Amino acid sequence: QKEVEQNSGPLSVPEGAIASLNCTYSDRGSQSFFWYRQYSGKSPELIMSIYSNGDKEDGRFTAQLNKASQYVSLLIRDSQPSDSATYLCAVNGGNTGFQKLVFGTGTRLLVSP
Amino acid sequence: GAGVSQSPRYKVAKRGQDVALRCDPISGHVSLFWYQQALGQGPEFLTYFQNEAQLDKSGLPSDRFFAERPEGSVSTLKIQRTQQEDSAVYLCASSLVGYEQFFGPGTRLTVL
Repeated sequence: QKEVEQNSGPLSVPEGAIASLNCTYSDRGSQSFFWYRQYSGKSPELIMSIYSNGDKEDGRFTAQLNKASQYVSLLIRDSQPSDSATYLCAVNGGNTGFQKLVFGTGTRLLVSP
Repeated sequence: GAGVSQSPRYKVAKRGQDVALRCDPISGHVSLFWYQQALGQGPEFLTYFQNEAQLDKSGLPSDRFFAERPEGSVSTLKIQRTQQEDSAVYLCASSLVGYEQFFGPGTRLTVL
């Protein structure tokens, strides 16, 4: 079992719709959770961090964390073609060590005009 | 405020050559990380520094890989006797201790 799992996609949504990206993790001791956006040929860009159960909203983005279910998600409201990218889920803490990030393989999002 | 910078952005090496990749972190960031990203995969942790101390090198794939940060700022990742399987994007990230990591643009290494 991979430590951080994501559906590779692609997830296709029409412009203006809500995109829902999901991530599960295996280390119950994980403490910090991050979503990075990566455009093709570019490096990961941090878009959201979440540390406690519940929702965290930032503009069109909402991160949701459920530690009991070991599940973290990212919602993108009013999706735009410019949101088309790979979204990487990353966790740290627990047995992997507090500092280093463990990444999933990413979910490719395609937003069609 | 400048972000994390890396050089070179692209490197082509012949198999068996040594390469050195440089990372200049965000000013004031104590923590520095190296990751390796293969095509279609998420970044994989290589090593971590806090100031000049290398606190975790568990992700370095072999003893051909060596990293240093002698003055607690700029870091160099060195790969000796490069092999084709070393071809990847090498990403550097920096952070304040315990906070979010910010990535540089990466160095794309191609070993022929």
